[in-house]
Amino acid sequence: QVQLQQWGAGLLKPSETLSLTCAVYGGTFNRYYWSWIRQTPGKGLEWIGETHHSGTTKTNPSLTRRVTISVDTSKKQFSLKLRSVTAADTAVYYCASGGGYETLDYWGQGTLVTVSS
Amino acid sequence: DIQMTQSPSTLSASVGDRVTITCRATQSIGKWLAWYQQKPGKAPQILMYEASTLVEGVPSRFSGSGSGTEFTLTITSLQPDDFATYYCQQYKGFSTFGQGTKLEI
Repeated sequence: QVQLQQWGAGLLKPSETLSLTCAVYGGTFNRYYWSWIRQTPGKGLEWIGETHHSGTTKTNPSLTRRVTISVDTSKKQFSLKLRSVTAADTAVYYCASGGGYETLDYWGQGTLVTVSS
Repeated sequence: DIQMTQSPSTLSASVGDRVTITCRATQSIGKWLAWYQQKPGKAPQILMYEASTLVEGVPSRFSGSGSGTEFTLTITSLQPDDFATYYCQQYKGFSTFGQGTKLEI
């Protein structure tokens, strides 16, 4: 059974960088792709991007310019950075197992990130 | 992007009812569709993949059908635990989701 535990800052000011990390427990880390998804009342669920133990990443074209996703296989963790945030980036952010072209089978608990001056 | 449209947005039903939720894609996605259930304050949980294959442990009152651009999720004999929001996800292209269907009493 795979479990994901995520953490990161929940309150940011406009123009700052969102930073979240997700730790994976159980399962085989190298078996999966790992994704970040966010959810807002207005836009619903939005896939942000994925990474793999090899270090390859893919991102949603709408966010590519601002997103960096990285992986640390030694710690079984992967991370999200989203630069230059605005109020529109206020959302609940989730990490999940699975890539952008796969189902998302296991999810973290979610982190509410609020962007406000 | 492949856009996904769910209907209805809200569905009122009672325990024991049979309900159907529809999800439409803007282009053919074959059978690359999943359904998720989300309860307030929780992450979505996958119910089904490849349009009609139940995830282990999901009750058989849930079923899915469809291919191409039109898909349905059916729940027979609704139970109290089923009242939640349901989302479809296509993964033919990079993942996109329907806007959700809130199933309420």
